[in-house]
Amino acid sequence: EVQLVESGGGLVQPGGSLRLSCAASGFTFSSNSMNWVRQAPGKGLEWVSYISGSSSTRYYADSVRGRFTVSRDNAKNSLYLQMNSLRAEDTAVYYCARWYEYSSSSGLGYWGQGTLVTVSS
Amino acid sequence: QSVLTQPPSASGTPGQRVTISCSGSSSNIGSNNVNWYQQLPGTAPKLLIYTNNQRPSGVPDRFSGSRSGTSASLAISGLQSDDEADYYCAAWDDSLNGVVFGGGTKLTVL
Repeated sequence: EVQLVESGGGLVQPGGSLRLSCAASGFTFSSNSMNWVRQAPGKGLEWVSYISGSSSTRYYADSVRGRFTVSRDNAKNSLYLQMNSLRAEDTAVYYCARWYEYSSSSGLGYWGQGTLVTVSS
Repeated sequence: QSVLTQPPSASGTPGQRVTISCSGSSSNIGSNNVNWYQQLPGTAPKLLIYTNNQRPSGVPDRFSGSRSGTSASLAISGLQSDDEADYYCAAWDDSLNGVVFGGGTKLTVL
């Protein structure tokens, strides 16, 4: 069974940093690209970042490019999101998610439970 | 402002059929497959329809999807009270190199 478990959320001051983690199990992690998606309180879904299985390709939403860095450790079956220069508008539940099959065509079929990041003084 | 456009709300009575539209552009829906998600309050989104019209295992055939040109739609037939949720369309965008979502449609079962 595919399982994705996020951790690392919490309260951080504006301008601060936070590192999210996503522990994956139940599938061959290194063969799967991964994504981060966030949802601000009471708002819709916003895609944040993508990383290929080998880490050779990474994409970011314009809203986080230059401040967030996605990475992975295939030996540890883990995905990370390093978030720097955090702003109030980054406050959201952050989900890690995997394609249902092997590409974006199949949609995000597996999601973690999410971890809440609150940016406030 | 979301890249994909959905109506903010939709409603229907039990047993009725409702449709939710999703409008995009040539760089997303016009050239890539559309996926739909259902999100119940306080839970993670769930993939409802993938590759325009495919249902993951466990999703009832009351849910169906279609795509034409730069638009897509989700249809729910035999509406049930537990279909009350937020529904999102999404697609890969070749210009943005990322997934773009619609703003979401809140479905109310009257």
